[in-house]
Amino acid sequence: EAGVTQSPTHLIKTRGQQATLRCSPISGHTSVYWYQQALGLGLQFLLWYDEGEERNRGNFPPRFSGRQFPNYSSELNVNALELEDSALYLCASSLAPSYGYTFGSGTRLTVV
Amino acid sequence: RKEVEQDPGPFNVPEGATVAFNCTYSNSASQSFFWYRQDCRKEPKLLMSVYSSGNEDGRFTAQLNRASQYISLLIRDSKLSDSATYLCVVSMTTDSWGKLQFGAGTQVVVTP
Repeated sequence: EAGVTQSPTHLIKTRGQQATLRCSPISGHTSVYWYQQALGLGLQFLLWYDEGEERNRGNFPPRFSGRQFPNYSSELNVNALELEDSALYLCASSLAPSYGYTFGSGTRLTVV
Repeated sequence: RKEVEQDPGPFNVPEGATVAFNCTYSNSASQSFFWYRQDCRKEPKLLMSVYSSGNEDGRFTAQLNRASQYISLLIRDSKLSDSATYLCVVSMTTDSWGKLQFGAGTQVVVTP
């Protein structure tokens, strides 16, 4: 069974640009979660999508947005990139939180 | 107060020794509990769920104390490969809220 896949693995952008990160969940999982992990820090919850709808978002500005497609894959968009957006962005999928999450290997975003 | 708190460590453990550490959570209505393991610059991976009666998986034992609102992880016969950051994870009250809350992690370093 394929796990959670994320692309690209690495992304380098210039301050002010936009970044688009992609995630494909495990087959059968309808929920997709996005987390940000800055270097040396813990996971910060960004967004939760389920059945194509945004269900919850963390304490991040509106320039962090995303969507979920009919096939349950998801996209995270970060507009007007700032240097402090440099981090590992992790996508996870789940049948339900009581089952825990399975994470993808992440996209490492570097803003220069 | 953080929703999930962990001693950041590091816990320096001789190979073959036992190490144990706790995690406290603030929401008494939390439902599901997990331990994840994260290696440096990699994605978190589910180590084990934590059940009310406590559970064991090989050298790893997890306990839940609802009265005092903490969970614990014990690692017996530590291996060099056990060196990692261990994340305590708590699910909030209902699945519909959808979010797992991650602690910042406890670093374990197993030395030869």
